[in-house]
Amino acid sequence: QSVLTQPPSASGTPGQRVTISCSGSSSNIGSNYVYWYQQLPGTAPKLLIYRNDQRPSGVPDRFSGSKSGTSASLAISGLRSEDEADYYCAAWDDSLSGEVFGTGTKVTVL
Amino acid sequence: QVQLVESGGGLVKPGGSLRLSCAASGFTFSDYCMTWIRQAPGKGLEWVSYISSTGSTIYYADSVKGRFTISRDNAKNTLFLQMNSLRAEDTAVYYCARVATVTMVYFDYWGQGILVTVSS
Repeated sequence: QSVLTQPPSASGTPGQRVTISCSGSSSNIGSNYVYWYQQLPGTAPKLLIYRNDQRPSGVPDRFSGSKSGTSASLAISGLRSEDEADYYCAAWDDSLSGEVFGTGTKVTVL
Repeated sequence: QVQLVESGGGLVKPGGSLRLSCAASGFTFSDYCMTWIRQAPGKGLEWVSYISSTGSTIYYADSVKGRFTISRDNAKNTLFLQMNSLRAEDTAVYYCARVATVTMVYFDYWGQGILVTVSS
């Protein structure tokens, strides 16, 4: 089962700002970097944020990540219809010696 | 450009075996750690296994430990996942992915995924 907890859904109108939380523990988020992935319908996941707050080339600066203690968050500003997707946080877990994913959040653009 | 192409999926009976392959191209395969991640129908992502660039370090999720074996052939630029004693709960789309760096385990390139269905 997922070790990192996310809200199942989030929504907003075009142009709004949406924030997704990711809650973990001292063995994962508390001691390692957080990553975020975007999965558009019917496609493979794509890296969105690495090392807590870094964007790979090609990812719009509308997407931003942050981390504090054992929690992290992803913000999408200037929401667009093409942002409708599932979003997952992830981190290495030292206790499990493995990567753990969040439960996933479905973002809907109203 | 980086490409990862999975193959070997399909329908298998409970208790059966299957071997997945992931053909890599567009980068120096032997320089990168690799991983398998799966996604059950309608569910979230689940990390399955990790292998270092030389194959000397391997990790498994508890859910597959003792049943699945990850391996790689650097001469053939191919990653494998041998799956034995398959169960219905192993039904999922299986993705291979490249681990971006040695010091940070995150996945910068993913394959398109291959479906494995375990059913009688």
